[in-house]
Amino acid sequence: EAGVAQSPRYKIIEKRQSVAFWCNPISGHATLYWYQQILGQGPKLLIQFQNNGVVDDSQLPKDRFSAERLKGVDSTLKIQPAKLEDSAVYLCASSLFARVGTNEKLFFGSGTQLSVL
Amino acid sequence: AQKITQTQPGMFVQEKEAVTLDCTYDTSDQSYGLFWYKQPSSGEMIFLIYQGSYDEQNATEGRYSLNFQKARKSANLVISASQLGDSAMYFCAMREWGGSTLGRLYFGRGTQLTVWP
Repeated sequence: EAGVAQSPRYKIIEKRQSVAFWCNPISGHATLYWYQQILGQGPKLLIQFQNNGVVDDSQLPKDRFSAERLKGVDSTLKIQPAKLEDSAVYLCASSLFARVGTNEKLFFGSGTQLSVL
Repeated sequence: AQKITQTQPGMFVQEKEAVTLDCTYDTSDQSYGLFWYKQPSSGEMIFLIYQGSYDEQNATEGRYSLNFQKARKSANLVISASQLGDSAMYFCAMREWGGSTLGRLYFGRGTQLTVWP
């Protein structure tokens, strides 16, 4: 079974530039997550999609971050303009379907390491 | 307040020995789930083990077991017979279903485990 695919693996940009990350979840997984992992910290949820609808984006800095999941499959996360503090690993994850009380596990991609100079 | 607390930034264990990684959590929900993930240097988060708040028995998955003490709100991971390949960052996470978070997964800051020969 193919895992969660992410690209690019690494990205270096200057502050105020824009950047986009791409994620392809495991086939059949309805729920897709974007996490930000700053060095030395655990991942923090940025946005969660259920099919192609947003169910949680309360921790997404909406003045500069945007995400979409067209047709309920692939997703892109964009940062515009980037700041120095956006330097982090951006992890995409997917799970079958997030329902109350279920324990379905998240499958993570290898992440995109972003450096903002 | 921190939802997940991992007090051990780093742990060392000799090969073939057992090691316990500590995790405490904070929630007022009755229904929640506790997860442990492993993150090797490659960056991918790998699911290890899950414990539901209503599960009466401690979860086990091969060499991994979860020491769940509900009254103390602790969910320690025990790795038996450590192997060199166990060297990685380990994250404790909690999923709670109250409010509007729809199962947001909260991660701790992680514990770096080093297994030496």
